[in-house]
Amino acid sequence: DAGVIQSPRHEVTEMGQEVTLRCKPISGHDYLFWYRQTMMRGLELLIYFNNNVPIDDSGMPEDRFSAKMPNASFSTLKIQPSEPRDSAVYFCASSSRSSGQSSYNEQFFGPGTRLTVL
Amino acid sequence: DQQVKQNSPSLSVQEGRISILNCDYTNSMFDYFLWYKKYPAEGPTFLISISSIKDKNEDGRFTVFLNKSAKHLSLHIVPSQPGDSAVYFCAASAFGNQFYFGTGTSLTVIP
Repeated sequence: DAGVIQSPRHEVTEMGQEVTLRCKPISGHDYLFWYRQTMMRGLELLIYFNNNVPIDDSGMPEDRFSAKMPNASFSTLKIQPSEPRDSAVYFCASSSRSSGQSSYNEQFFGPGTRLTVL
Repeated sequence: DQQVKQNSPSLSVQEGRISILNCDYTNSMFDYFLWYKKYPAEGPTFLISISSIKDKNEDGRFTVFLNKSAKHLSLHIVPSQPGDSAVYFCAASAFGNQFYFGTGTSLTVIP
């Protein structure tokens, strides 16, 4: 298995531009998470999906941020318009819940997208 | 509002000695705790976990201790190796799939 795939790995853009981050979860996983890593706040959960449906988006900082999961193998996180304070590393993670097992399932992270907004 | 706190941003330890990484939490509903390890330019990877019904869990050189009354957990690495140099994140969960992560502690093991 290739693991969680994220693209691009690095993104440099100018303030005001639209940014789209992409994620392909591990096949068969039914949970997908978007995190943002900053020095001040560590890993913050932005939003997570279960079976392609957004469950909790309370971590999304502003209306400028939106996330979609059109199918089980693809998700996007969009920032429009981007601002310098959005500069961070964005991680996607996926996990699965199998019947009969613990409800706490290991999240597998992608390599992250380092976003720089100038 | 940070529900999981790692108050030491960095830690340096000599190879062969013990590394102790600490984590505090505020939510008494948390019942599952994890440690993740992160190398530069990679995503975090799961290291070890503990349920609130236990106070200790061991996996090789790694041991996690949980003190529920103090809302504190720690990760012990014995003996520390240079390959353990990484950022360690503490995480907690309450009855669900959502994890709350700390800010991380950067461990450097000096050869």
